[in-house]
Amino acid sequence: EDQVTQSPEALRLQEGESSSLNCSYTVSGLRGLFWYRQDPGKGPEFLFTLYSAGEEKEKERLKATLTKKESFLHITAPKPEDSATYLCAVQAETGNQFYFGTGTSLTVIP
Amino acid sequence: EPEVTQTPSHQVTQMGQEVILRCVPISNHLYFYWYRQILGQKVEFLVSFYNNEISEKSEIFDDQFSVERPDGSNFTLKIRSTKLEDSAMYFCASSAESNYGYTFGSGTRLTVV
Repeated sequence: EDQVTQSPEALRLQEGESSSLNCSYTVSGLRGLFWYRQDPGKGPEFLFTLYSAGEEKEKERLKATLTKKESFLHITAPKPEDSATYLCAVQAETGNQFYFGTGTSLTVIP
Repeated sequence: EPEVTQTPSHQVTQMGQEVILRCVPISNHLYFYWYRQILGQKVEFLVSFYNNEISEKSEIFDDQFSVERPDGSNFTLKIRSTKLEDSAMYFCASSAESNYGYTFGSGTRLTVV
């Protein structure tokens, strides 16, 4: 069964304190791995797509990396506005649906 | 920036009633999806729709659920006879290609009482 596990469940950082979020996955043939940001009461907001091991994507203070078993979302010098839940999702080769993890709730304290 | 628009933002309905959740996907997108998120739980896939038909559906998407694209712009999710456990946030999403990141709408919060 295709599965996505995210850790930690919650993370509190001081402003400027860099860290990484983890997404471990098992899927029968990876078609793509997706990172989303979700603010309370809102829909997920697309951040990155990664398609193959070794691939990296960057956007402002965020950098996503991918291996054959996991992905990391690195947050460099975070600001309070980076506070949100970060969701990881995988898409298998055999279908269109995304399998989401439960997310990491990030709080950045000024 | 193009958006996926969902209406209403919040719907309260009596158990057993029918509800229709509405979505306007991004105009040049070809793939449409419904997901739901029960409070505090994962975002779960319901159904995908391409070329005017369902391309994939989950176990959640039973006979009580149906989808339609009635006029080339709207995309609707109907729940025929709502149950208490249907209470959730329902998200519509669309994408230009099947393996691209989706654009999600802001969701409809459905409360069944």
